[in-house]
Amino acid sequence: EAGVAQSPRYKIIEKRQSVAFWCNPISGHATLYWYQQILGQGPKLLIQFQNNGVVDDSQLPKDRFSAERLKGVDSTLKIQPAKLEDSAVYLCASSFFGGQGGEQFFGPGTRLTVL
Amino acid sequence: AQKITQTQPGMFVQEKEAVTLDCTYDTSDQSYGLFWYKQPSSGEMIFLIYQGSYDEQNATEGRYSLNFQKARKSANLVISASQLGDSAMYFCAMRVNTNAGKSTFGDGTTLTVKP
Repeated sequence: EAGVAQSPRYKIIEKRQSVAFWCNPISGHATLYWYQQILGQGPKLLIQFQNNGVVDDSQLPKDRFSAERLKGVDSTLKIQPAKLEDSAVYLCASSFFGGQGGEQFFGPGTRLTVL
Repeated sequence: AQKITQTQPGMFVQEKEAVTLDCTYDTSDQSYGLFWYKQPSSGEMIFLIYQGSYDEQNATEGRYSLNFQKARKSANLVISASQLGDSAMYFCAMRVNTNAGKSTFGDGTTLTVKP
């Protein structure tokens, strides 16, 4: 079974530029998560999709971040314009279903550096 | 709101000894799941163990066991017979049954296994 795929693995941009990350979850997984992990901290949930609907985006900085999950499969996360404090690893995860149970499977992450 | 607290930023353990990593949580939901993940220096997030809030027995997975004390709202991870490969960051996480399983992570504990 293929795991969660993310691209790119690394990205370096200058502040005020835009960037997009792509995630392909495990086939059949209805729930998809985007996390931001700043160095030395735990992952912070940015947005959670159930199929192609958003179930939680309370911690997404909506003035600069956007995300979509077309057709309930792939997802993209965009930052426009980027700030220095957006430097972090962006993790995508998926699970078979939402709710309390079921482990999340994580992708390898995208390491973003904003100069 | 959900909260996970990991009070040990760093822990050391001698190879072959057991170690306990602390985790306390806060939620008003009655139905929730508790997870532990391992993140080696390579960055991938590896699922270790799961405990449901209604599970009466403590979860075990090989050398990992979860000491679940519901009244105290604690979910400590016990690693028996530590190995050098156990050196990593360990995260406690919670998902509640409302909000389609909103996920919250702690800030982690760095475990170093000494030879």
